[in-house]
Parts: sequence; C-alpha cells; structure tokens
Amino acid sequence: DGGITQSPKYLFRKEGQNVTLSCEQNLNHDAMYWYRQDPGQGLRLIYYSQIVNDFQKGDIAEGYSVSREKKESFPLTVTSAQKNPTAFYLCASSIFGQGRTGELFFGEGSRLTVL
Amino acid sequence: AQSVTQLDSQVPVFEEAPVELRCNYSSSVSVYLFWYVQYPNQGLQLLLKYLSGSTLVESINGFEAEFNKSQTSFHLRKPSVHISDTAEYFCAVSSTGGGNKLTFGTGTQLKVEL
Repeated sequence: DGGITQSPKYLFRKEGQNVTLSCEQNLNHDAMYWYRQDPGQGLRLIYYSQIVNDFQKGDIAEGYSVSREKKESFPLTVTSAQKNPTAFYLCASSIFGQGRTGELFFGEGSRLTVL
Repeated sequence: AQSVTQLDSQVPVFEEAPVELRCNYSSSVSVYLFWYVQYPNQGLQLLLKYLSGSTLVESINGFEAEFNKSQTSFHLRKPSVHISDTAEYFCAVSSTGGGNKLTFGTGTQLKVEL
C-alpha cells in the first residue's frame, strides 16, 4: 500500500538534545512537508521541499533543520535551539507539477516530549 | 494571500442530531477547498474536497459540504452524527494557480455525546 511512514510514533528526549524524526513516502510525490501541531493552534508549517536537494523555510523554521537527499525521504531534526520542542509533528506529501491541487497526504505523526 | 477561519473551536452534539461545522475563507483568486479529519494521536485524513463542478460534495461516511462562492464559505454538514464522528476537523484552502500551498484553519473539535 502506498503511504507515508513516520517514525518513531512517540519520542522522549532530555532538554538540550537534538532529535531526528523520520518520514518516508512511497507515493512518488515530489513535494514533502513538515508541520507542527499544538493544541488550539492548528497546523504550522516548518519546512517544505518541492524537489530533491532543495527545501524552503515555512512559518516556524527556527530551531529545526531538514534534508532531502532522496525523493522518498524528508527527515526533520529538532535542534537544541528550538525553545519549546514538545509537540505533535506531522509529515505530508503532495503532487508537484501538472495536476496539483495542493491536496496533502499525511503520515500518522510523531509525538515528541522533551523532559 | 489566503486565509481560513473556523469560528467554532468546539462543537458538542448529541448522537443522531445534525451538525454543521463552519468554514470561511479569504482569497483573491480561485480556490480549491478541503476538509480533513483527525482522530486522537493520528495524522489528518482527507474527508472531502471541492476542485470544480458541482458545488455540493459528499464523503463516503455521510458528510457533505457546499462551496458558496458569494459567501466564501465551505461549511461541513452531517444530518445525523455517530459517536465515531468524534474528532477534530480542519478546513483548508489552496489557490488554483501556482504555489498550491495549503492553508489550514485552526480546527473544530466535534464531540458527539450519547
């Protein structure tokens, strides 16, 4: 089945540690996205990538980093510079190019708790 | 620039009652419209979408939404809700030309009670 796989589902880390969240898709989508979700704040875009080896900052990129070395993979690193990293993180993908509508396909999410 | 407003952060309703979740958008160009549903600790799933054609769109589980261009709205309705419909619902909009970045509302928590 085609889809998006995020891992781990739950992650606990000590303050000051960097953590990397994995996102893999087999939908053959060009574009991939990372969102952060906090209660009552909806979804906020962290980073997105429309093509391999290229990515752009979203609305809340500070304290995060990404890479896009392969079409299928878009890992997110939450660095120690992120002041409030405890949140639910969602990875998504979409078609980019002819036929695109903006529709996003989401993974199951990763919940990061910093102790 | 585009934006989405979901005025109701929480909507409590009894089982088998009708429900309407409101969504208004703002955009200077033509739009595509989406409703997503999110169950606890899960990702978002597409519920229904308006791309073109008939302004009334339906989902397989009884939800429907109507695109109203003059009122810039895309309200979600269901005539009779079930306990299993308890979830958070997000309205989203993208422009039809270039970019296509999806803009989300802040979500409406639907709580169905017995």
